[in-house]
Amino acid sequence: DAKTTQPTSMDCAEGRAANLPCNHSTISGNEYVYWYRQIHSQGPQYIIHGLKNNETNEMASLIITEDRKSSTLILPHATLRDTAVYYCIPSGGTSYGKLTFGQGTILTVHP
Amino acid sequence: NAGVTQTPKFQVLKTGQSMTLQCAQDMNHEYMSWYRQDPGMGLRLIHYSVGAGITDQGEVPNGYNVSRSTTEDFPLRLLSAAPSQTSVYFCASSRFGRVADTQYFGPGTRLTVL
Repeated sequence: DAKTTQPTSMDCAEGRAANLPCNHSTISGNEYVYWYRQIHSQGPQYIIHGLKNNETNEMASLIITEDRKSSTLILPHATLRDTAVYYCIPSGGTSYGKLTFGQGTILTVHP
Repeated sequence: NAGVTQTPKFQVLKTGQSMTLQCAQDMNHEYMSWYRQDPGMGLRLIHYSVGAGITDQGEVPNGYNVSRSTTEDFPLRLLSAAPSQTSVYFCASSRFGRVADTQYFGPGTRLTVL
Protein backbone atom coordinates (compact mmCIF):
# COMPACT_ATOMS: atom_id res chain seq x y z
CA ASP A 1 0.00 0.00 0.00
CA ALA A 2 1.13 3.53 -0.72
CA LYS A 3 2.36 5.64 2.18
CA THR A 4 0.72 9.00 2.79
CA THR A 5 1.83 12.22 4.43
CA GLN A 6 -0.74 14.72 5.67
CA PRO A 7 -0.40 17.78 7.93
CA THR A 8 -1.23 16.93 11.51
CA SER A 9 -3.65 19.83 11.85
CA MET A 10 -5.07 22.79 9.95
CA ASP A 11 -7.34 25.70 10.73
CA CYS A 12 -9.90 27.38 8.53
CA ALA A 13 -12.31 30.28 8.95
CA GLU A 14 -15.99 29.52 8.50
CA GLY A 15 -17.15 30.30 4.98
CA ARG A 16 -13.68 30.12 3.51
CA ALA A 17 -12.27 27.30 1.40
CA ALA A 18 -10.36 24.58 3.20
CA ASN A 19 -7.53 23.03 1.19
CA LEU A 20 -6.20 19.79 2.64
CA PRO A 21 -3.03 18.41 1.02
CA CYS A 22 -1.87 14.82 0.88
CA ASN A 23 1.39 13.39 -0.40
CA HIS A 24 1.23 9.84 -1.78
CA SER A 25 4.42 9.65 -3.83
CA THR A 26 4.52 5.82 -3.79
CA ILE A 27 1.01 5.36 -5.16
CA SER A 28 0.73 2.66 -7.80
CA GLY A 29 -0.98 3.06 -11.14
CA ASN A 30 -4.13 1.15 -10.19
CA GLU A 31 -4.68 2.78 -6.81
CA TYR A 32 -7.43 5.31 -6.34
CA VAL A 33 -7.12 8.19 -3.90
CA TYR A 34 -9.96 8.14 -1.37
CA TRP A 35 -10.85 10.80 1.15
CA TYR A 36 -12.85 10.01 4.25
CA ARG A 37 -13.54 12.13 7.30
CA GLN A 38 -14.39 11.27 10.88
CA ILE A 39 -16.37 13.69 12.97
CA HIS A 40 -15.74 13.23 16.67
CA SER A 41 -16.93 9.86 18.00
CA GLN A 42 -18.67 8.94 14.75
CA GLY A 43 -17.90 6.38 12.08
CA PRO A 44 -15.85 7.56 9.08
CA GLN A 45 -17.77 9.15 6.24
CA TYR A 46 -16.89 8.89 2.56
CA ILE A 47 -16.18 12.22 0.87
CA ILE A 48 -14.77 11.65 -2.61
CA HIS A 49 -12.34 9.56 -4.62
CA GLY A 50 -10.43 9.77 -7.89
CA LEU A 51 -7.88 8.00 -10.05
CA LYS A 52 -6.33 10.53 -12.44
CA ASN A 53 -8.79 13.28 -13.18
CA ASN A 54 -10.03 15.98 -10.86
CA GLU A 55 -13.38 15.16 -9.30
CA THR A 56 -16.19 17.18 -7.77
CA ASN A 57 -19.30 16.20 -5.88
CA GLU A 58 -21.75 17.93 -3.57
CA MET A 59 -19.34 17.75 -0.66
CA ALA A 60 -15.93 18.58 -2.07
CA SER A 61 -13.49 18.76 -4.95
CA LEU A 62 -10.43 16.59 -5.41
CA ILE A 63 -7.41 17.83 -7.31
CA ILE A 64 -4.84 15.16 -8.26
CA THR A 65 -1.49 16.22 -9.68
CA GLU A 66 -0.56 14.94 -13.11
CA ASP A 67 2.14 12.67 -11.70
CA ARG A 68 -0.40 11.41 -9.10
CA LYS A 69 2.09 11.87 -6.29
CA SER A 70 -0.09 14.28 -4.38
CA SER A 71 -3.65 15.48 -4.12
CA THR A 72 -5.66 18.24 -2.47
CA LEU A 73 -9.14 18.00 -1.02
CA ILE A 74 -11.06 21.24 -1.25
CA LEU A 75 -14.08 22.09 0.89
CA PRO A 76 -15.28 25.20 -0.94
CA HIS A 77 -17.21 26.87 1.89
CA ALA A 78 -16.23 25.32 5.22
CA THR A 79 -18.76 25.27 8.05
CA LEU A 80 -18.37 24.46 11.73
CA ARG A 81 -19.80 21.01 10.98
CA ASP A 82 -16.79 20.29 8.77
CA THR A 83 -14.54 20.15 11.83
CA ALA A 84 -13.22 16.58 11.70
CA VAL A 85 -10.23 14.36 11.02
CA TYR A 86 -9.67 13.98 7.28
CA TYR A 87 -8.01 10.85 5.92
CA CYS A 88 -6.34 10.52 2.54
CA ILE A 89 -6.26 6.82 1.59
CA PRO A 90 -4.80 5.28 -1.57
CA SER A 91 -6.61 2.02 -2.21
CA GLY A 92 -6.84 -0.40 -5.07
CA GLY A 93 -5.07 -3.20 -6.82
CA THR A 94 -5.05 -6.26 -4.59
CA SER A 95 -6.23 -4.45 -1.48
CA TYR A 96 -9.83 -5.34 -2.34
CA GLY A 97 -11.56 -2.48 -0.60
CA LYS A 98 -9.36 -2.61 2.48
CA LEU A 99 -8.74 0.90 3.72
CA THR A 100 -5.51 1.76 5.52
CA PHE A 101 -6.14 4.73 7.78
CA GLY A 102 -3.16 6.86 8.78
CA GLN A 103 -3.20 9.68 11.31
CA GLY A 104 -5.10 12.09 9.06
CA THR A 105 -5.41 15.88 9.33
CA ILE A 106 -7.41 17.45 12.13
CA LEU A 107 -9.32 20.30 10.47
CA THR A 108 -10.74 22.90 12.83
CA VAL A 109 -13.17 25.39 11.38
CA HIS A 110 -13.41 28.61 13.40
CA PRO A 111 -16.36 31.03 13.52
CA ASN B 1 -32.58 2.33 4.62
CA ALA B 2 -31.05 2.14 8.10
CA GLY B 3 -27.61 1.71 6.54
CA VAL B 4 -25.07 0.00 8.79
CA THR B 5 -26.21 -0.62 12.35
CA GLN B 6 -24.14 -1.79 15.29
CA THR B 7 -25.13 -3.05 18.72
CA PRO B 8 -24.44 -2.46 21.50
CA LYS B 9 -23.26 1.17 21.51
CA PHE B 10 -21.33 0.70 24.75
CA GLN B 11 -20.06 -2.40 26.57
CA VAL B 12 -17.93 -3.06 29.62
CA LEU B 13 -16.41 -6.52 30.04
CA LYS B 14 -14.18 -8.18 32.57
CA THR B 15 -11.00 -9.89 31.44
CA GLY B 16 -11.77 -13.37 30.16
CA GLN B 17 -15.42 -12.75 29.34
CA SER B 18 -16.74 -13.38 25.88
CA MET B 19 -19.15 -11.36 23.81
CA THR B 20 -20.38 -10.74 20.29
CA LEU B 21 -20.54 -7.35 18.62
CA GLN B 22 -23.37 -7.22 16.14
CA CYS B 23 -23.28 -5.57 12.73
CA ALA B 24 -26.06 -5.50 10.16
CA GLN B 25 -26.65 -3.71 6.88
CA ASP B 26 -29.79 -3.43 4.77
CA MET B 27 -28.19 -2.27 1.52
CA ASN B 28 -27.61 -5.77 0.08
CA HIS B 29 -23.86 -5.23 0.23
CA GLU B 30 -21.60 -8.18 -0.41
CA TYR B 31 -18.52 -6.77 1.32
CA MET B 32 -18.39 -6.20 5.08
CA SER B 33 -15.52 -5.52 7.43
CA TRP B 34 -14.58 -4.78 11.03
CA TYR B 35 -12.11 -2.12 12.17
CA ARG B 36 -10.87 -1.09 15.55
CA GLN B 37 -9.77 2.40 16.55
CA ASP B 38 -7.58 3.01 19.58
CA PRO B 39 -7.36 6.49 21.14
CA GLY B 40 -5.59 8.98 18.86
CA MET B 41 -5.06 6.38 16.16
CA GLY B 42 -6.43 5.62 12.75
CA LEU B 43 -8.65 2.61 12.10
CA ARG B 44 -7.10 -0.84 11.69
CA LEU B 45 -8.75 -3.70 9.82
CA ILE B 46 -9.58 -6.80 11.89
CA HIS B 47 -11.51 -9.12 9.54
CA TYR B 48 -13.44 -8.78 6.33
CA SER B 49 -15.88 -10.75 4.22
CA VAL B 50 -16.50 -10.61 0.47
CA GLY B 51 -19.77 -12.49 0.69
CA ALA B 52 -21.81 -14.97 2.72
CA GLY B 53 -19.67 -17.90 3.82
CA ILE B 54 -16.38 -16.16 3.00
CA THR B 55 -14.19 -14.39 5.54
CA ASP B 56 -10.53 -13.41 5.74
CA GLN B 57 -8.11 -11.80 8.16
CA GLY B 58 -7.12 -8.19 8.17
CA GLU B 59 -4.23 -6.42 9.84
CA VAL B 60 -5.05 -7.25 13.50
CA PRO B 61 -7.12 -10.48 13.62
CA ASN B 62 -5.75 -12.08 16.80
CA GLY B 63 -8.32 -12.51 19.55
CA TYR B 64 -11.30 -12.10 17.22
CA ASN B 65 -13.50 -14.52 15.28
CA VAL B 66 -16.04 -13.77 12.57
CA SER B 67 -18.54 -15.65 10.48
CA ARG B 68 -20.88 -14.61 7.67
CA SER B 69 -23.92 -16.82 7.42
CA THR B 70 -26.12 -14.19 5.75
CA THR B 71 -25.48 -11.22 3.48
CA GLU B 72 -26.95 -8.84 6.07
CA ASP B 73 -25.05 -9.78 9.23
CA PHE B 74 -21.38 -9.89 10.16
CA PRO B 75 -20.87 -10.47 13.91
CA LEU B 76 -17.50 -10.08 15.61
CA ARG B 77 -16.75 -12.43 18.51
CA LEU B 78 -14.32 -11.89 21.34
CA LEU B 79 -13.77 -15.33 22.89
CA SER B 80 -11.73 -14.20 25.92
CA ALA B 81 -11.59 -10.44 26.30
CA ALA B 82 -8.31 -8.75 27.25
CA PRO B 83 -7.64 -5.15 28.31
CA SER B 84 -5.70 -4.66 25.05
CA GLN B 85 -9.03 -5.06 23.23
CA THR B 86 -10.39 -1.89 24.80
CA SER B 87 -11.21 0.16 21.73
CA VAL B 88 -13.94 1.54 19.51
CA TYR B 89 -15.11 -0.97 16.93
CA PHE B 90 -16.52 0.06 13.56
CA CYS B 91 -18.27 -2.12 11.05
CA ALA B 92 -18.34 -1.13 7.38
CA SER B 93 -19.93 -2.39 4.19
CA SER B 94 -19.72 -1.75 0.46
CA ARG B 95 -21.46 -3.09 -2.63
CA PHE B 96 -18.75 -5.53 -3.71
CA GLY B 97 -15.57 -4.34 -2.01
CA ARG B 98 -14.14 -3.42 -5.37
CA VAL B 99 -11.63 -0.65 -5.76
CA ALA B 100 -14.11 2.10 -6.56
CA ASP B 101 -16.88 1.06 -4.16
CA THR B 102 -17.75 3.51 -1.41
CA GLN B 103 -17.63 2.08 2.09
CA TYR B 104 -20.32 2.92 4.63
CA PHE B 105 -19.48 2.83 8.31
CA GLY B 106 -21.65 2.14 11.32
CA PRO B 107 -21.74 4.37 14.42
CA GLY B 108 -19.34 2.20 16.40
CA THR B 109 -19.32 0.12 19.60
CA ARG B 110 -17.25 1.45 22.48
CA LEU B 111 -15.79 -1.50 24.39
CA THR B 112 -13.93 -1.33 27.69
CA VAL B 113 -12.25 -4.44 29.11
CA LEU B 114 -11.35 -4.22 32.78
